[in-house]
Amino acid sequence: GDSVTQMEGPVTLSEEACLTINCTYTATGYPSLFWYVQYPGEGLQLLLKATKADDKGSNKGFEATYRKETTSFHLEKGSVQVSDSAVYFCALSDWYNNNDMRFGAGTRLTVKP
Amino acid sequence: NAGVTQTPKFQVLKTGQSMTLQCAQDMNHEYMSWYRQDPGMGLRLIHYSVGAGITDQGEVPNGYNVSRSTTEDFPLRLLSAAPSQTSVYFCASSYSLVVTGELFFGEGSRLTVL
Repeated sequence: GDSVTQMEGPVTLSEEACLTINCTYTATGYPSLFWYVQYPGEGLQLLLKATKADDKGSNKGFEATYRKETTSFHLEKGSVQVSDSAVYFCALSDWYNNNDMRFGAGTRLTVKP
Repeated sequence: NAGVTQTPKFQVLKTGQSMTLQCAQDMNHEYMSWYRQDPGMGLRLIHYSVGAGITDQGEVPNGYNVSRSTTEDFPLRLLSAAPSQTSVYFCASSYSLVVTGELFFGEGSRLTVL
């Protein structure tokens, strides 16, 4: 079945460092891809999404490009802030084939001042 | 603007006890779902509903029941709690699976089964 694999954490960076969190997927159809973020004590919230190959999702300085040839959707940010400390989840949905969203295991990011 | 509201936020049960986790949304979303979050495993779908009166099983449905009598509410029932059900539970809803694909999450309910 459809699945998502993302890099294991935790990841610790200094403020203003570059961030990349790797995400690869397996799907039989044509899924949409998402990054969700979970701040401490809160539920998940959508960070960005891409619905077809070569689409780039972006929000709050984060970017991810839907790469069908490498089945990847890596999350990047050029300069992280302390406020970016959170758990990041890669996810895919193929609503035509499955009525659900599949999540990766999550990557915890800690940004130190 | 409440969004998705879950109660209770914390609960401790003894093995064999039953309880219901409540979920309500005020966004008129047709799709609602329950996930459990366990360390190193991400979120796994328990049950979902595409509208009032319609429910279906997800990836890990055993030990849980759901019903959807109204668009707003989607309670999750544990009939006989087991330690393996210790987890954080999230309710989520969506306007349209096909159009947006975006899920809106509640703040979670942390359940401990002793």
